[in-house]
Amino acid sequence: SAVISQKPSRDICQRGTSLTIQCQVDSQVTMMFWYRQQPGQSLTLIATANQGSEATYESGFVIDKFPISRPNLTFSTLTVSNMSPEDSSIYLCSVVAEPYGYTFGSGTRLTVV
Amino acid sequence: AQSVAQPEDQVNVAEGNPLTVKCTYSVSGNPYLFWYVQYPNRGLQFLLKYITGDNLVKGSYGFEAEFNKSQTSFHLKKPSALVSDSALYFCAVRDSEGQNFVFGPGTRLSVLP
Repeated sequence: SAVISQKPSRDICQRGTSLTIQCQVDSQVTMMFWYRQQPGQSLTLIATANQGSEATYESGFVIDKFPISRPNLTFSTLTVSNMSPEDSSIYLCSVVAEPYGYTFGSGTRLTVV
Repeated sequence: AQSVAQPEDQVNVAEGNPLTVKCTYSVSGNPYLFWYVQYPNRGLQFLLKYITGDNLVKGSYGFEAEFNKSQTSFHLKKPSALVSDSALYFCAVRDSEGQNFVFGPGTRLSVLP
């Protein structure tokens, strides 16, 4: 199945700044997914990133806050903009690894102070 | 719309005893069901999935799950728990028409020595 390299693995950021998270996949994939896992919570889908088109955002998430790039079929970035402590979460990217399953990156643990 | 329930926030079991982590789901079409495990400070790891066929699915690390269509359940089981099984377990569902996963809230499993 696909292998995802996600970085950074963790970061501590000042409020008001931005952080860009990168995911590199070892094979070409049509769709990449970005999830947020808030402390003690389950995973929530932020957006779906397709190569060559704008990302599709879920309810409650907007492009200005979470801009996504998808320049090719193996790479995507998620930026968390103008951060506040409420953005402290684990952010994960994932891809469809086979006809039905998903593979996840190792996650980025973000702490905003 | 899909939904997943994991009725127990926490499950405690003694090492060597059987364990069960419960999951019920709701989808409009045929369900694709998954279990993932998240160890501390780690990303999500795939355990097993049910797509079609035998209702009893065997996965990684000795885990298995039984699909019960009439009860819309997909409980995770292991005959003999290990302390190293202590982690956060997520059930997820996807219907046969869509691409997105819906994750349950997670169940924290603690295996006591």
